[in-house]
Amino acid sequence: EAQVTQNPRYLITVTGKKLTVTCSQNMNHEYMSWYRQDPGLGLRQIYYSMNVEVTDKGDVPEGYKVSRKEKRNFPLILESPSPNQTSLYFCASSQPGYGYTFGSGTRLTVV
Amino acid sequence: QKEVEQDPGPLSVPEGAIVSLNCTYSNSAFQYFMWYRQYSRKGPELLMYTYSSGNKEDGRFTAQVDKSSKYISLFIRDSQPSDSATYLCAMKVGPGGYNKLIFGAGTRLAVHP
Repeated sequence: EAQVTQNPRYLITVTGKKLTVTCSQNMNHEYMSWYRQDPGLGLRQIYYSMNVEVTDKGDVPEGYKVSRKEKRNFPLILESPSPNQTSLYFCASSQPGYGYTFGSGTRLTVV
Repeated sequence: QKEVEQDPGPLSVPEGAIVSLNCTYSNSAFQYFMWYRQYSRKGPELLMYTYSSGNKEDGRFTAQVDKSSKYISLFIRDSQPSDSATYLCAMKVGPGGYNKLIFGAGTRLAVHP
């Protein structure tokens, strides 16, 4: 089944403790992206990647890092999480001419 | 002003009603328009993908784009309780996967039996 897999689905952590949210797609898509979704603000792009080793900032990149060492994987790293990063995170992938395929989401709470 | 405006609702309708969901936008360069459906605790899933102006139909769903008015709509005929979800409009200027997708905030729809 074609899909984007994110882990974990739920995560509660403390301020300052580094964490990684993994994302993997099995569709051989070149383009991958991370979004956060907050009430009233909708989906906002954090980082995106056009291919292996090619990444760039989206609209809200502060406090996040990404890497793209393999085509299928695009992890999101929070080096020192803060409470304002409490949100619902989605990874997505796509091919030209098509819409995005989203993962099921990671609900992160930073206390 | 946001690039894409969408009424957050909630919109509550009886089963069998025709539902109209709408978005307005300000960037006249947008050419590709999408509607996503998002169930609670799930990721958005693509419902409709259209290019430029006109209508596109898929089963009970019709997407309509009016570029002159910068206005897009999604119509749901014979609505079902299973249509209860948040509907997100999205748009971009080009077809490439790298073209940035701009989302509306989403409209929450509840279809009651």
